[in-house]
Amino acid sequence: QKEVEQDPGPLSVPEGAIVSLNCTYSNSAFQYFMWYRQYSRKGPELLMYTYSSGNKEDGRFTAQVDKSSKYISLFIRDSQPSDSATYLCAMWVDSNYQLIWGAGTKLIIKP
Amino acid sequence: NAGVTQTPKFRILKIGQSMTLQCTQDMNHNYMYWYRQDPGMGLKLIYYSVGAGITDKGEVPNGYNVSRSTTEDFPLRLELAAPSQTSVYFCASSSPTDNEQFFGPGTRLTVL
Repeated sequence: QKEVEQDPGPLSVPEGAIVSLNCTYSNSAFQYFMWYRQYSRKGPELLMYTYSSGNKEDGRFTAQVDKSSKYISLFIRDSQPSDSATYLCAMWVDSNYQLIWGAGTKLIIKP
Repeated sequence: NAGVTQTPKFRILKIGQSMTLQCTQDMNHNYMYWYRQDPGMGLKLIYYSVGAGITDKGEVPNGYNVSRSTTEDFPLRLELAAPSQTSVYFCASSSPTDNEQFFGPGTRLTVL
């Protein structure tokens, strides 16, 4: 079993829809949870960053962490074609130098 | 402020050839990383470094070598290239006080 599981998709939704992207993990020691966005033929860029449990909102994006279920989510409201990208979740333990990555979900927003 | 730069952008190698992928960052980050990304497989860590003169293996180090003589540079060496090393390679850097990793634009490598 991988430490972080993420459905690779692709996930295709119409413009304006609410998108839900998810990751599950097995290591209860993870404390930091990140979502990166990667456009085609580009490097990943940090989108959202949360520490421990709870919600964090930034414009149309909301990151949610449920440590009891070992489950994190990224919600995108009023999705736009420019949101079409691959979204990677990543997690980190304070005592380690490495991020543990999900496989990434390819998201397609249809105009 | 260029961030993380990588050269070359593209390269085709023949089996058995060697090459060095260059990575430079201008953010004075102590931590640097090399990843490979295969289609639908996410990022796999090859090597990382926590400072000049210190490197360590990641998840998939076989067939690769690194060095870190300066804070800015972290080259990745491929010896005896194999078709299994066909991938997109990303270099990243981060600060010890912040988990955010900043990525370069990547190098697309094909081994034929």
